Amino acid sequence: AQSVAQPEDQVNVAEGNPLTVKCTYSVSGNPYLFWYVQYPNRGLQFLLKYITGDNLVKGSYGFEAEFNKSQTSFHLKKPSALVSDSALYFCAVRDRGSGGSNYKLTFGKGTLLTVNP
Amino acid sequence: NAGVTQTPKFQVLKTGQSMTLQCAQDMNHNSMYWYRQDPGMGLRLIYYSASEGTTDKGEVPNGYNVSRLNKREFSLRLESAAPSQTSVYFCASSNDRGGRGSNEQFFGPGTRLTVL
Repeated sequence: AQSVAQPEDQVNVAEGNPLTVKCTYSVSGNPYLFWYVQYPNRGLQFLLKYITGDNLVKGSYGFEAEFNKSQTSFHLKKPSALVSDSALYFCAVRDRGSGGSNYKLTFGKGTLLTVNP
Repeated sequence: NAGVTQTPKFQVLKTGQSMTLQCAQDMNHNSMYWYRQDPGMGLRLIYYSASEGTTDKGEVPNGYNVSRLNKREFSLRLESAAPSQTSVYFCASSNDRGGRGSNEQFFGPGTRLTVL
């Protein structure tokens, strides 16, 4: 079974400060990890993903995430937050398994990020 | 290139009524998905279609049926709507092959459904 936890329902930061949105995962094999963002009344938009290789992944809009296998974490970060970054952020995981097919992407419950001017 | 489109955007049903949510993608993706989003629950997979002609149950399939009409279109049907099906429904597609891909999913704008 695969699962994702986003331990914070809400994160508040001041504009210009660094931001972190936390994500931990559980899989039986190796993970594919994703971050998505959802603006009000919109669908989810892909931000970045970890497949393999470099543990630091860079994505859209200046976001990056660090894969930490020992801590089973994939935290989303940005060095300097913007008011326009305010949105709902979802972490998601897919277990690569042992060679069989797995189409299912499991999402966390989401973290509402508010960046204050 | 419209990406993933969904119709309708909003719908209000009475308990027991039926309806079909439509989804289409123009990215030539193999795989398509239906999710529901409820407050504090994240997204939960209802059904998915790995390729044209195949469909499989996800995490919460009860009360729903799907049809993969062709490679572009994947519809979700509620045969007898219940208030518990009040939710926002998202369709998504990806270019996965054989369920081993690392490709991201592309989402439609969603359908807000209220069942009274």
